Amino acid sequence: DVKVTQSSRYLVKRTGEKVFLECVQDMDHENMFWYRQDPGLGLRLIYFSYDVKMKEKGDIPEGYSVSREKKERFSLILESASTNQTSMYLCASSPGLASEQYFGPGTRLTVT
Amino acid sequence: GIQVEQSPPDLILQEGANSTLRCNFSDSVNNLQWFHQNPWGQLINLFYIPSGTKQNGRLSATTVATERYSLLYISSSQTTDSGVYFCALIQGAQKLVFGQGTRLTINP
Repeated sequence: DVKVTQSSRYLVKRTGEKVFLECVQDMDHENMFWYRQDPGLGLRLIYFSYDVKMKEKGDIPEGYSVSREKKERFSLILESASTNQTSMYLCASSPGLASEQYFGPGTRLTVT
Repeated sequence: GIQVEQSPPDLILQEGANSTLRCNFSDSVNNLQWFHQNPWGQLINLFYIPSGTKQNGRLSATTVATERYSLLYISSSQTTDSGVYFCALIQGAQKLVFGQGTRLTINP
């Protein structure tokens, strides 16, 4: 079975803090993704990576950066957390182009 | 970009009932997935079904790509089937575009 894990299920941070969300997959997938989910707005793509050290912006990259130093790990970084980044963050991975994506359990981030 | 519409937005049923959820999309697809989001927020993969019909236990799905819709069938519903069901399609080579979901509530 494909397994995607995320470092925290719940996280509370203060405005202005630097926040790291970690995602690890164990299936040697090429592609990894970060989405956020908000009521009324659905799921939106923040960034994705199709190879180590490669990244592409999604629909809402502002205020975020990413890092992929190893194939199995994809990190989402909030450089200076703001209250409008309070959200559910979901990581996913897939083996190839246009192939099935598998999601982690999600991290509920609250920025106060 | 591609538009994905799901119906109905909400569905309330008694345990044991059958249900059909619909997903309409605006463009041709080479990837369509159905997910169940459980109460803890995790997206569970149900089907990867760009075309044709698949079955997994009480669940089955059909995608008619030429007519741009997909259906998810749930038979003999159980309370554990409650949650939000999403269909999602690939736009370009990578990005999943999600519908707004169908919230299913199964009452005992």
